[in-house]
Amino acid sequence: DAKTTQPTSMDCAEGRAANLPCNHSTISGNEYVYWYRQIHSQGPQYIIHGLKNNETNEMASLIITEDRKSSTLILPHATLRDTAVYYCIVRGAHGGATNKLIFGTGTLLAVQP
Amino acid sequence: DGGITQSPKYLFRKEGQNVTLSCEQNLNHDAMYWYRQDPGQGLRLIYYSQIVNDFQKGDIAEGYSVSREKKESFPLTVTSAQKNPTAFYLCASSINRGSYNSPLHFGNGTRLTVT
Repeated sequence: DAKTTQPTSMDCAEGRAANLPCNHSTISGNEYVYWYRQIHSQGPQYIIHGLKNNETNEMASLIITEDRKSSTLILPHATLRDTAVYYCIVRGAHGGATNKLIFGTGTLLAVQP
Repeated sequence: DGGITQSPKYLFRKEGQNVTLSCEQNLNHDAMYWYRQDPGQGLRLIYYSQIVNDFQKGDIAEGYSVSREKKESFPLTVTSAQKNPTAFYLCASSINRGSYNSPLHFGNGTRLTVT
C-alpha cells in the first residue's frame, strides 16, 4: 500500500494561501491522491482528488508533481474556518477493498488572525 | 439536502451491553462504510458494504456486526465482545463500489462511551 508523509502541523496567516505538502513516493500508476479535512469532532470532509493532472475546485487546488511522488494542496485564501486536520490519502486496491481509504495522522493547519 | 445522518451524536452504555449505531444516507450511494477513530489517530475501517445484502470485514471487525438490508441504511452493532468500544464512529458512503475515482462522503459521527 502506498504510504503518505505529511508535516505534523503548519501555521498560516488569515487571507494568505495555505500550501500543504504530501509525499507519496511509493504511489503506483492507478492510485489516486485524495485530500480530506476534519474539524474537531466532525466527520472528514472531502476536498479534492486527482490522478496525474492538477485539479481545482471551489475549495482548493491540487498540484501533483510529474513523477507523482508528491503533491501540494493549496487553499488560496485561508480563513479561520479552515483550521482543521488535513489528510492526504493515496487510494487504490487494498486486498479487494477497492474503496478503502487509509488515513494517517494528517497535518494540523492552524490559521492565525 | 442530501447527506449522511448518524444518530445519536453521543451515546453512553454500560460495559457488557450491545449497542447499535444508526447510519442513513439519501445520496443513492451503492457503497457504505464504518470507520472508528481513536484520539490523535487516523480512521480505521471496521466493515464495508458494496451492495445491498452484502458486506465485508475491514481491518478491525472483531466485536462488531453490521447488516445491509436496505440501500440507504447500514447500522453497526458494537457487541460486548469488543474489548475497547469507547471511540468516535464514522459512517461513510460512495457512489461507485468498484472505483478508486469515487470520493467517500462522511457523516458527523457518533461518540460512544462505554463505562
